[in-house]
Amino acid sequence: EIVLTQSPGTLSLSPGERATLSCRASQSISSTYLAWYQQKPGQAPRLLIYAASSRATGIPDRFSGSGSGTDFTLTISRLEPEDFAVYYCQQYGSSPWTFGQGTKVEIK
Amino acid sequence: QVQLVESGGGVVQPGRSLRLSCTASGFTFKSYAIHWVRQAPGKGLEWVAVISYDGTINYYADSVKGRFTISRDNSKNALFLQMNSLRADDTAVYYCARAGTVWSHFDYWGQGTLVTVSS
Repeated sequence: EIVLTQSPGTLSLSPGERATLSCRASQSISSTYLAWYQQKPGQAPRLLIYAASSRATGIPDRFSGSGSGTDFTLTISRLEPEDFAVYYCQQYGSSPWTFGQGTKVEIK
Repeated sequence: QVQLVESGGGVVQPGRSLRLSCTASGFTFKSYAIHWVRQAPGKGLEWVAVISYDGTINYYADSVKGRFTISRDNSKNALFLQMNSLRADDTAVYYCARAGTVWSHFDYWGQGTLVTVSS
């Protein structure tokens, strides 16, 4: 099983600041199989990034993904009020499909 | 627009069974793989099971293998999760999520249905 470890657990930032979220895999993943999701309280997760760096339909360009091998990053260039949420990385290239434990981006 | 609507959740005693449904609309259901993902209260996301577009391929998380069965009826645009021998740690919101293939990202999610296993 591929274990995904996200850091930090919580990120306290102000609107307009840059957010950098990390996802580290226990073994190398093809970048084709790495996604990022956003989840707000009481809502279902929403796909942000797939294949490590491709934005999903309708996702603003302030969201970007990068990385390869075992280290992946989600960057939010300038935080908007609606971006404060929990973010999960996921690998979907091998069974079992696994998620990181999440990074909460909260308002400072 | 793409919609996935889960139903069938509720309160059930340990050891009993429950069947969840996920009804799809707004896309060609028979062309997509569908996953079940769950989220225990206050916790993160846990993948549960997947079924291929034609139902011939499925995989399960070790935590549910032998107890849960995923199936689909493409004529009714419906996905199912039969959950047997339920345990307290199965308590969660259960989401269905669409994927292009079994090995694709999850591009649309339903709103979830809550299953509570308690005596």
